[in-house]
Amino acid sequence: DTGVSQDPRHKITKRGQNVTFRCDPISEHNRLYWYRQTLGQGPEFLTYFQNEAQLEKSRLLSDRFSAERPKGSFSTLEIQRTEQGDSAMYLCASSLKRATNEKLFFGSGTQLSVL
Amino acid sequence: DAKTTQPPSMDCAEGRAANLPCNHSTISGNEYVYWYRQIHSQGPQYIIHGLKNNETNEMASLIITEDRKSSTLILPHATLRDTAVYYCIVRVGVGSGNTGKLIFGQGTTLQVKP
Repeated sequence: DTGVSQDPRHKITKRGQNVTFRCDPISEHNRLYWYRQTLGQGPEFLTYFQNEAQLEKSRLLSDRFSAERPKGSFSTLEIQRTEQGDSAMYLCASSLKRATNEKLFFGSGTQLSVL
Repeated sequence: DAKTTQPPSMDCAEGRAANLPCNHSTISGNEYVYWYRQIHSQGPQYIIHGLKNNETNEMASLIITEDRKSSTLILPHATLRDTAVYYCIVRVGVGSGNTGKLIFGQGTTLQVKP
């Protein structure tokens, strides 16, 4: 168990640029989640995949945001035409689908700063 | 999923037990209580979960009231490294509609002081 890995850890970009983040989940986990967290707030759910299928998207996920998980393994989150309001920590989590005690394992996040 | 209410902040002396309360008065019969914590600059970390019975693991104990409307997370001997934001979350645990996602509130910031 090498844990959930996110890359990069920090990203600084200018307003209007596109950015892409990568998440590598725990290898046998079939579910993958993206969250966003701003200072002083709890993480907010963005979207979730089961294998390669994106099964749920939050209303927070505007049309400038797109997430993929092409082979049911790693995932990418792209933000197009970044805005200053996109500045946040982007967290990825993975889990193994279970009936009861499903636990989410989180990465350390990607801190995005939009100037 | 049911909403939870937690105090925004608490202090605890190092070496003492930290008791973190959580109210979830609208919890449904098939919803579990989960606790996660988030240390500064890290992602949330699973601590413990339960349905009806009290639970204990190497990190903490979870006490759920008989009516299930509230619970308490107990860190038996708090250390400085336990300083973190603690989130109490209720989530359905069974059924085909379970996505597994967690809905976080603002949690309780626990400050362990020397």
